Amino acid sequence: EAGVAQSPRYKIIEKRQSVAFWCNPISGHATLYWYQQILGQGPKLLIQFQNNGVVDDSQLPKDRFSAERLKGVDSTLKIQPAKLEDSAVYLCASSLRAKLPTSGGEGEQFFGPGTRLTVL
Amino acid sequence: DQQVKQNSPSLSVQEGRISILNCDYTNSMFDYFLWYKKYPAEGPTFLISISSIKDKNEDGRFTVFLNKSAKHLSLHIVPSQPGDSAVYFCAAKGGTYKYIFGTGTRLKVLA
Repeated sequence: EAGVAQSPRYKIIEKRQSVAFWCNPISGHATLYWYQQILGQGPKLLIQFQNNGVVDDSQLPKDRFSAERLKGVDSTLKIQPAKLEDSAVYLCASSLRAKLPTSGGEGEQFFGPGTRLTVL
Repeated sequence: DQQVKQNSPSLSVQEGRISILNCDYTNSMFDYFLWYKKYPAEGPTFLISISSIKDKNEDGRFTVFLNKSAKHLSLHIVPSQPGDSAVYFCAAKGGTYKYIFGTGTRLKVLA
């Protein structure tokens, strides 16, 4: 089974420039997540999609970040304009479903390798 | 406010011994907890999870214990192997669908 694919793996830009990241989740996974992981910290959820609808984007800086998941499959995350503090690894994850029907738990999240963004 | 805390940034253990990684949380609404392992230049990999209706879950060499009254969970790895050397993150969720991750503990298993 192919894993979660992300591109590019690395990106270096100057502040105020724009950048976009792409994610292809595991086939059949309804839920897709974008996380930001700053060096020395744990991943922070930016946005969660269920199919092509947004479930949670409460931690997404909407003045500069945007994300979409057209047709409920691939997703792109965009930053425009970038700031120095946006330097981080951006992780995409997917899961079969957001919530298991009986245990109350969550479907396991599968993470991609991430995109390391450096803003100079 | 750090709702999920991993107070030990690093841990070294001899091969064959037990590794115990700890995680504390503050939000009593959390009802599902997970542990992830992360190697350099890779995304986190799911290890084991536990629902708040349980106090223990076991999967091979990995066991997670949950103490709800203390708002504490721990991951035990027995026996530890050099391939277990990685950064381990605990994560929690509850109420809404949002996952909150700790800052991670770097485990080094010495051969």
